Amino acid sequence: KAGVTQTPRYLIKTRGQQVTLSCSPISGHRSVSWYQQTPGQGLQFLFEYFSETQRNKGNFPGRFSGRQFSNSRSEMNVSTLELGDSALYLCASSFRDKTTDTQYFGPGTRLTVL
Amino acid sequence: QQPVQSPQAVILREGEDAVINCSSSKALYSVHWYRQKHGEAPVFLMILLKGGEQKGHDKISASFNEKKQQSSLYLTASQLSYSGTYFCGTHAPHSGAGSYQLTFGKGTKLSVIP
Repeated sequence: KAGVTQTPRYLIKTRGQQVTLSCSPISGHRSVSWYQQTPGQGLQFLFEYFSETQRNKGNFPGRFSGRQFSNSRSEMNVSTLELGDSALYLCASSFRDKTTDTQYFGPGTRLTVL
Repeated sequence: QQPVQSPQAVILREGEDAVINCSSSKALYSVHWYRQKHGEAPVFLMILLKGGEQKGHDKISASFNEKKQQSSLYLTASQLSYSGTYFCGTHAPHSGAGSYQLTFGKGTKLSVIP
């Protein structure tokens, strides 16, 4: 099976712009989660989608939004970018049944806001 | 609140054992463990649900003490490949932002030397 893919891998934007990041989960995985990782704040949970519905959301401002499509692919959008949004954005797809509970991360998108 | 991990860093020789602890002040639904090597995405190790269960695979196992809201990750007979930063992620009920909040510890840097 192909792993989790994220595009683009690197992105440079300026303050005030908006950005859309994409994540394709592992085939058969219906749950996609997004995380932000920075040296200062560490790893932080953004949101989780399951079957096109946002199931959980972390403590991030409304500038951060996401969605999931019927094929389980997910996008994350950040509007009005701030310098502090510079981070590695990780997507993970999950599979859970009675005997299995596992999660796989994509390589991440490195966002730099200038 | 962010769970507290201890120790912050540990150096082991190959073959030695280590324990990494994760404590929360909140009642937890579950605890996740991850390992991240420098420049790579995190790798999911395991999830422990409330109920005081213990899980493990190979020489890495973990326990979850629901009463104390603590989880411990046990690495036995460490190998060079175990080097990396270990994170715990805790699920706790969170009103207003979704059904639960997933929060990560700051990580424990584990270095295994020959």
